Amino acid sequence: GQQLNQSPQSMFIQEGEDVSMNCTSSSIFNTWLWYKQDPGEGPVLLIALYKAGELTSNGRLTAQFGITRKDSFLNISASIPSDVGIYFCAGPTNFGNEKLTFGTGTRLTIIP
Amino acid sequence: GAGVSQSPSNKVTEKGKDVELRCDPISGHTALYWYRQSLGQGLEFLIYFQGNSAPDKSGLPSDRFSAERTGGSVSTLTIQRTQQEDSAVYLCASSRLVGQPQHFGDGTRLSIL
Repeated sequence: GQQLNQSPQSMFIQEGEDVSMNCTSSSIFNTWLWYKQDPGEGPVLLIALYKAGELTSNGRLTAQFGITRKDSFLNISASIPSDVGIYFCAGPTNFGNEKLTFGTGTRLTIIP
Repeated sequence: GAGVSQSPSNKVTEKGKDVELRCDPISGHTALYWYRQSLGQGLEFLIYFQGNSAPDKSGLPSDRFSAERTGGSVSTLTIQRTQQEDSAVYLCASSRLVGQPQHFGDGTRLSIL
């Protein structure tokens, strides 16, 4: 089946630094979603991308839908403590978009 | 409420017992989804509902798992004769229509002793 690989698996950064993470797939996706999950909570949708090459921002977050349709990138500028958490990429496994495949996650830790 | 509500938030039970997990989706959302998240892992899709029907049950791990939805709203996920490998966080999500971005609840953390 389709797999989504995220890198890096974990990041340790200082407050104020910019963050970049990516997600790659073995097959083409028509939609890319980025979620953030805090401990003990469900994933929260950050950004949704629907078109190859699309670049979308949500505050300090920017995500891009790769031209090949097999990758996506998420950047966080000027990180703050509340950015700590696990970031997941996800995409629909099927044409109807009802089944999401999730990536392995990138755990972001901010060093004081 | 404003978001997806799941209950209980935590459930500890003995191996072999049946458990029932509940999900109350966002009002007006016709699609409802169940996922399972093992410790430190991503989410594994289990089943989705379009209205009260579940067109595809192939994601359920075994025949001990079943789910239903009545009245186009609340859904229950039932696990019969629980096994230790069923221990995980079970997450529910809903969307206004199938295929639209999914919004998640905080999950039920299930621990099988």
